[in-house]
Amino acid sequence: QSALTQPRSVSGSPGQSVTISCTGTSRDVGGYIYVSWLQQHPGKAPKLLIYEVTRRPSGVPDRFSGSKSGNTASLTISGLQAEDEADYYCSSHAGTSMVFGGGTKLTVL
Amino acid sequence: EVQLLESGGGLVQPGGSLRLSCVVSEFTFSSHAMNWVRQAPGKGLEWVSTLSASGAGTYYADSVRGRFTISRDNSKNTLYLQMSSLTVEDTAVYYCAKDRALVVPATPDYWGQGTLVTVSS
Repeated sequence: QSALTQPRSVSGSPGQSVTISCTGTSRDVGGYIYVSWLQQHPGKAPKLLIYEVTRRPSGVPDRFSGSKSGNTASLTISGLQAEDEADYYCSSHAGTSMVFGGGTKLTVL
Repeated sequence: EVQLLESGGGLVQPGGSLRLSCVVSEFTFSSHAMNWVRQAPGKGLEWVSTLSASGAGTYYADSVRGRFTISRDNSKNTLYLQMSSLTVEDTAVYYCAKDRALVVPATPDYWGQGTLVTVSS
């Protein structure tokens, strides 16, 4: 049940694109389609952005997209907006458990 | 609109016990696995436990196995987390989260606002 590895922080200017990586192992990210991305603003509950690697829940803008290659999943946010400034977490099914990444703080410059 | 409302958090001494509840609405509770996820102050998310839709399958993080018990009452649309032998490391906001899956922890898609558990003497 080791945490997935994410960069501690990323930043970008409004309108730019940023990508956040999430590295696990073949026992979690690499082994299943159940990889998700969540957004959390300060003091708020997490919100699901991406599930099953690439799928977006209704209401999530298509500026948010997910992908996976091997044991690494990625979240790309295009056309950065000020309100995108938040913490982002990846999660993955891991057989009989779930594992989260350590979180990435996105700063919109 | 799917809603989840946690309660039962508070201040407890080390070694003490506490029971959290999560009342849900606007989805078929008995058709979804349910999760507890916690977040220590200033830290990231940590999966705690999952209970299958039927209640037959239970899953726990190594850090809480043997001390925490997850349960549900599908007739009351309520999820529970009984916590015992609490330590200061259990201090966190505890979130209840609906899963898209039926049995195993897979995709936490809706979250409650959380309830704060503080373990301190």
